[in-house]
Amino acid sequence: DADVTQTPRNRITKTGKRIMLECSQTKGHDRMYWYRQDPGLGLRLIYYSFDVKDINKGEISDGYSVSRQAQAKFSLSLESAIPNQTALYFCAAGTGSTDTQYFGPGTRLTVL
Amino acid sequence: GQSLEQPSEVTAVEGAIVQINCTYQTSGFYGLSWYQQHDGGAPTFLSYNALDGLEETGRFSSFLSRSDSYGYLLLQELQMKDSASYFCAVRDQGGGFKTIFGAGTRLFVKA
Repeated sequence: DADVTQTPRNRITKTGKRIMLECSQTKGHDRMYWYRQDPGLGLRLIYYSFDVKDINKGEISDGYSVSRQAQAKFSLSLESAIPNQTALYFCAAGTGSTDTQYFGPGTRLTVL
Repeated sequence: GQSLEQPSEVTAVEGAIVQINCTYQTSGFYGLSWYQQHDGGAPTFLSYNALDGLEETGRFSSFLSRSDSYGYLLLQELQMKDSASYFCAVRDQGGGFKTIFGAGTRLFVKA
């Protein structure tokens, strides 16, 4: 399995602050993803990247930006955090042939 | 647009068989995946179907009918540790091979 790590694991911030969530993977997968999870809504795709030069918007990209600094690193930024961005954020890395995605442990973000 | 429907909750007893259904609507279907998520944990991949038919992996099987836009996850010989949320997800060719997840089915396994 891919070894996907996320930092921080928990974060509390205030409305209007800029915040960055970081994700790294050690298995060399080309594809990386950012999702948010809210109770009852499943996982919603924010951004995805199929390689370092390929970044795509997902279902809910407004208010978020990403950077693929290297094949192994994919960071998510909230330019100006707002309370309805309070959620559990997951990063994933995966393969193309079967769409298998390996998820990191998640970052619980609270915006006050 | 894209949408997936799956039941919100299913309850079954230990040792039984349970089927979790998923119907989908996409602009360019490419494949159907299933993920398991325990409380407080990350989703973990269970299976992927791109073609019609049944795929079996141990106690878990996954089925796909592309013509009916329907699939299911079958869990046999249920164990208490199978209590978790199960998500179906479609890989949608339209708009760039996005992965869209359903809202999840919470499975409760009773003794």
